[in-house]
Amino acid sequence: EDQVTQSPEALRLQEGESSSLNCSYTVSGLRGLFWYRQDPGKGPEFLFTLYSAGEEKEKERLKATLTKKESFLHITAPKPEDSATYLCAVRPGGYQKVTFGTGTKLQVIP
Amino acid sequence: EAGVTQSPTHLIKTRGQQATLRCSPISGHTSVYWYQQALGLGLQFLLWYDEGEERNRGNFPPRFSGRQFPNYSSELNVNALELEDSALYLCASSLEGPYEQYFGPGTRLTVT
Repeated sequence: EDQVTQSPEALRLQEGESSSLNCSYTVSGLRGLFWYRQDPGKGPEFLFTLYSAGEEKEKERLKATLTKKESFLHITAPKPEDSATYLCAVRPGGYQKVTFGTGTKLQVIP
Repeated sequence: EAGVTQSPTHLIKTRGQQATLRCSPISGHTSVYWYQQALGLGLQFLLWYDEGEERNRGNFPPRFSGRQFPNYSSELNVNALELEDSALYLCASSLEGPYEQYFGPGTRLTVT
């Protein structure tokens, strides 16, 4: 069975203090790894798709990277508005469902 | 471009009743997914429809069912509601294949 483990469960940063979130995965035949941001009571917002090891994607203060076993979401000089839960998900081949991790809850303190 | 829409925003039902939740995907998307998110918990996969067919189902009892219409919109039905069914129900859509899912705002179901 596919598994996605995110760490840490919660992270508290000072504004401007860079850090990384980890997503470790076990999947048969990775077709895609996805990162989302979710604010309380709202639907997840798509951030990135990564397809193969070595791939990197960037958006503003966020950068996602992928290896064969894990993905990192690097947050550079975060701002309070970056506070949210960040979700990682993997898509195997065929009609196998996407599996989501339980997320990392990020709080950025001014 | 319009995103995924869901209705109603909020739904309050009594234990034992039935609930119907609706979802309209992004134009051009043929796959629709349903997830349950209980307060403070992660996303639990419910159902996946593509081209009108059920492609995969999560570990939920048969009283959770749904369908996809020819215009690719979808409906989730929950029969014999239980208190623990209270949650945010999220719908997502995607192109068929290994593509990202785009989520709607969710329907907050409260069972009393």
